[in-house]
Amino acid sequence: GESVGLHLPTLSVQEGDNSIINCAYSNSASDYFIWYKQESGKGPQFIIDIRSNMDKRQGQRVTVLLNKTVKHLSLQIAATQPGDSAVYFCAERVGGGADGLTFGKGTHLIIQP
Amino acid sequence: NAGVTQTPKFQVLKTGQSMTLQCAQDMNHNSMYWYRQDPGMGLRLIYYSASEGTTDKGEVPNGYNVSRLNKREFSLRLESAAPSQTSVYFCASSDPPDGYTFGSGTRLTVV
Repeated sequence: GESVGLHLPTLSVQEGDNSIINCAYSNSASDYFIWYKQESGKGPQFIIDIRSNMDKRQGQRVTVLLNKTVKHLSLQIAATQPGDSAVYFCAERVGGGADGLTFGKGTHLIIQP
Repeated sequence: NAGVTQTPKFQVLKTGQSMTLQCAQDMNHNSMYWYRQDPGMGLRLIYYSASEGTTDKGEVPNGYNVSRLNKREFSLRLESAAPSQTSVYFCASSDPPDGYTFGSGTRLTVV
């Protein structure tokens, strides 16, 4: 079964509001997590990453929170813009090697004007 | 621009035909990957190459073969295409422990 999953397939927010996209993972051995944004017809685009020895990491308008106790990852997007409309995936890597990433199914973020 | 380049972007095959998907990266990354993405799904790992000269199976390797031609290039071959292999294929590269970069994908339809 899937190691990584998302709670909601679709999330609709008003332009200017903050968005929170959630992800649950099941493998406690995962040491590295990434959020990707995928626009229609394009490949995944890196947004932000976090290692398992951290709880929070901030980027430009984005914050990732990691709760290892409950195996939960979230992506917060501040002041959501129309250009943020896309499918967002969380991905995890187990073990620190080059074995590739395990992806969740994705959340489609829809921006309401 | 630096990155991962995939060819072709689109392909239609008949059942039983063979083809090779090409991938090249110019970031001097050691590791390369092939994923497939089906509608409404996340990406699933087909094969990966941790370094030049090595390849390993991922989650869904059946029906595929790969070749790490050199450090830059990693190809994916379908020997006898099946309709179940209709998907979008993404190549990626990385330099562990981080730095995964994806190509723009190859949309394959098998009829």
